[in-house]
Amino acid sequence: GAVVSQHPSRVICKSGTSVKIECRSLDFQATTMFWYRQFPKQSLMLMATSNEGSKATYEQGVEKDKFLINHASLTLSTLTVTSAHPEDSSFYICSAGAEYWGYEQYFGPGTRLTVT
Amino acid sequence: AQSVTQLDSHVSVSEGTPVLLRCNYSSSYSPSLFWYVQHPNKGLQLLLKYTSAATLVKGINGFEAEFKKSETSFHLTKPSAHMSDAAEYFCVVSVSGGYNKLIFGAGTRLAVHP
Repeated sequence: GAVVSQHPSRVICKSGTSVKIECRSLDFQATTMFWYRQFPKQSLMLMATSNEGSKATYEQGVEKDKFLINHASLTLSTLTVTSAHPEDSSFYICSAGAEYWGYEQYFGPGTRLTVT
Repeated sequence: AQSVTQLDSHVSVSEGTPVLLRCNYSSSYSPSLFWYVQHPNKGLQLLLKYTSAATLVKGINGFEAEFKKSETSFHLTKPSAHMSDAAEYFCVVSVSGGYNKLIFGAGTRLAVHP
C-alpha cells in the first residue's frame, strides 16, 4: 500500500511554455500533499503544502504565480510550472499522506523537468 | 529552528563491511527523525523513523539508527553492506505534531565496492 505516482517521469519543454505535473495517491486518500524540488546532487527543498479543496501554502521564496498547485481531489494534486525558464529545470518530487496513517509522507518517483 | 547536518557527503565501503552514516540534528522540541534512501531515478523510501519511543530504531534492509539526545545525533548503521545499498541517504527532521515540514539534510552518497 501507500503508492504515490507521478506523471510524467520526464518532460522537456521550451522556454516560455507551461508544463503540468501530476501526483496521484493510488491506493489511499491523501488529505495532504507536498511538492519538493531537488537540484542535481542536492537535497530536497519543500516548495508547498496542499490540502484537498483549499489553497496551497507556499514556502518562503517560492513564487506562487509561477508554481501553481491544485489539489482538486483526495487522490490528485497537480503542479503547473508557468512560463518556464531554464533555471526551472529540476527534479520535482511530490509526497502524500493521511492523518489516519500517522502523518507519514509517501513519496512519488519524481519528475525531471528540462527547460530548453 | 530545526535542522539536520549530515557529516559526510560521500561514504565508500567494501561489500560486507559495516556502514556508518552520520547525522546531527538541531531542534528546540522533541524531534521526529527519519532516514530515507533514494536510489537513482526512484522515489524516496523510508528506512526508519524515531518518534520518541525506543532510542534504538530498527528499519528495513538491516539498517538501524540510535537517537542520542546528549549528542544530538541520529547515526545510521548497518553491520554488513550489500552492493544494493549503494544510493543517496537523507537524514530528515520534522517538527513534532501533525503534518509539519520535513527538513532534509544535504544527503550522503554511499558507494559499495566489491
